[in-house]
Amino acid sequence: GESVGLHLPTLSVQEGDNSIINCAYSNSASDYFIWYKQESGKGPQFIIDIRSNMDKRQGQRVTVLLNKTVKHLSLQIAATQPGDSAVYFCAENLLGDYKLSFGAGTTVTVRA
Amino acid sequence: DVKVTQSSRYLVKRTGEKVFLECVQDMDHENMFWYRQDPGLGLRLIYFSYDVKMKEKGDIPEGYSVSREKKERFSLILESASTNQTSMYLCASSSIGTGKQETQYFGPGTRLLVL
Repeated sequence: GESVGLHLPTLSVQEGDNSIINCAYSNSASDYFIWYKQESGKGPQFIIDIRSNMDKRQGQRVTVLLNKTVKHLSLQIAATQPGDSAVYFCAENLLGDYKLSFGAGTTVTVRA
Repeated sequence: DVKVTQSSRYLVKRTGEKVFLECVQDMDHENMFWYRQDPGLGLRLIYFSYDVKMKEKGDIPEGYSVSREKKERFSLILESASTNQTSMYLCASSSIGTGKQETQYFGPGTRLLVL
């Protein structure tokens, strides 16, 4: 079946460096993508989203890139801080569907 | 800001008990969702509702039921709790928006332990 997945389950980053978290999806009909951050003991928190008619979208210290040709999504975090340590999920929506499909998550650890 | 609240952060129940998990959202969202989250398995959709009294099965509905009597409230019911239902339960809500899926906003989660 088609699913959303993340390339790496863990990522260790030096404080102050940029982080890049990757996600691959397999359904070309997917229309909408979201990145979530989940801190320990908390629910997922919305970070940024992007629709399939865009290639790039920027937020505060975060950028999401969408490459529809290779069905790849990435989240870039600039100047990573200790508070960025969390599990990051990408999620995919199929056009016309209420539901999101989630990847398994990447655990980001920021080294001081 | 969107606020999704869940009735309990931690819950301990015994096998065979009936368990109610409550979720309330304050943004007048049409859609509400219940997920469970387990290590290595990510978020799996149990049930969702796109309107009052409407419900749809998700990917893993077995052993669960839901109720949506009011727009702001969505309840998850474990009719007879079993140990394999020990998990983190997450509620989410979203608006209809432009007719396509909009962002889902999550509650803090309920960690349920079934003994």
